[in-house]
Amino acid sequence: GENVEQHPSTLSVQEGDSAVIKCTYSDSASNYFPWYKQELGKRPQLIIDIRSNVGEKKDQRIAVTLNKTAKHFSLHITETQPEDSAVYFCAASWSAGNMLTFGGGTRLMVKP
Amino acid sequence: SQTIHQWPATLVQPVGSPLSLECTVEGTSNPNLYWYRQAAGRGLQLLFYSVGIGQISSEVPQNLSASRPQDRQFILSSKKLLLSDSGFYLCAWSAPFGELFFGEGSRLTVL
Repeated sequence: GENVEQHPSTLSVQEGDSAVIKCTYSDSASNYFPWYKQELGKRPQLIIDIRSNVGEKKDQRIAVTLNKTAKHFSLHITETQPEDSAVYFCAASWSAGNMLTFGGGTRLMVKP
Repeated sequence: SQTIHQWPATLVQPVGSPLSLECTVEGTSNPNLYWYRQAAGRGLQLLFYSVGIGQISSEVPQNLSASRPQDRQFILSSKKLLLSDSGFYLCAWSAPFGELFFGEGSRLTVL
């Protein structure tokens, strides 16, 4: 089965700096890679996803890159703000709608 | 539009008592349904998933069970709770080839 490793487990940045979270996956058949943000006490919410037919996707301050050859993908947050503080989860699956395998999560803290 | 609801939002139960968490999805048909558990400060552990009525797959052996009596209803149960069952339980749904959406969560404390 699929295995997703996520690093780092905690990340502290100064407001305005960039943050990068990296994930690796094991199953070369995986083609769908979403990222979820979970604020304290709340449900995880999808913030961005990427499918294997593209190498990069951007949405305002958030971008995700995918390297299928190396089997890793990354979340990039630029110009971080205190409201970006949360736990971020990466995930992988064969396709959207199929069972996701989640990484262990990254606690991002943005210091004002 | 599609919505997902789960309840209760919080509950405190003694060890050995039964459990029933319910989840319903509106605005779609034949969704894939999931139950996840999240221990404090930890990741998302998949407990059960279902692709149709009466079809339940278990990912982790434990004292919990799940049922899907109707197309858009998913229930998580236990006959006797353990201390280790404490956590944040999340129901989720996805359409075929669609994104995964989580419910608001149910926080269970077993004393």
